Amino acid sequence: SQQGEEDPQALSIQEGENATMNCSYKTSINNLQWYRQNSGRGLVHLILIRSNEREKHSGRLRVTLDTSKKSSSLLITASRAADTASYFCATFSSGTYKYIFGTGTRLKVLA
Amino acid sequence: DTGVSQDPRHKITKRGQNVTFRCDPISEHNRLYWYRQTLGQGPEFLTYFQNEAQLEKSRLLSDRFSAERPKGSFSTLEIQRTEQGDSAMYLCASSSSTASLFINEQFFGPGTRLTVL
Repeated sequence: SQQGEEDPQALSIQEGENATMNCSYKTSINNLQWYRQNSGRGLVHLILIRSNEREKHSGRLRVTLDTSKKSSSLLITASRAADTASYFCATFSSGTYKYIFGTGTRLKVLA
Repeated sequence: DTGVSQDPRHKITKRGQNVTFRCDPISEHNRLYWYRQTLGQGPEFLTYFQNEAQLEKSRLLSDRFSAERPKGSFSTLEIQRTEQGDSAMYLCASSSSTASLFINEQFFGPGTRLTVL
């Protein structure tokens, strides 16, 4: 079964607004990654945050990680129509080689 | 850099038939993953190769599924006696061997969409 659960499942916003999506997971992790998937480009890696980090930025993306709550959030600022996609978190834990993906948040940015 | 490629992109087969998919990772990547994704869900891990060694398999990978990476380059995923429940997108990903296993960005291929009639 999948470990991560994203919230909300779907989000619709106007262009220029910020979008926040959350990911919760169940076991201790080494790192957490966010991926974007759209029909045009498939799955693309966005950002990685290690378990000893609390916040990370990359362009218009801001990721936070709270290991005590086993949760992460992805903030996309000043959203664009091109940000329309599904966003997935993926966690990696010690003792295994596999990444566990969440169920995804479907983001729609309206022009 | 041609990225990760998968072949075929689409496969339609009848129940009970065998199918084989191929993945060509980025050339310098030693690590290769297979995932399965159904509509509205995230990718589910199937198996992991480091070079030619298959180091982890999901319990989802029943005895009808087998994967190989004979020379540590391309990989194949075979499904025998396909069932309608096998209909899904099969994704391949690779990552750099120079990175720590724990800091591991995966590069995904476009996927093979399997439809079992």
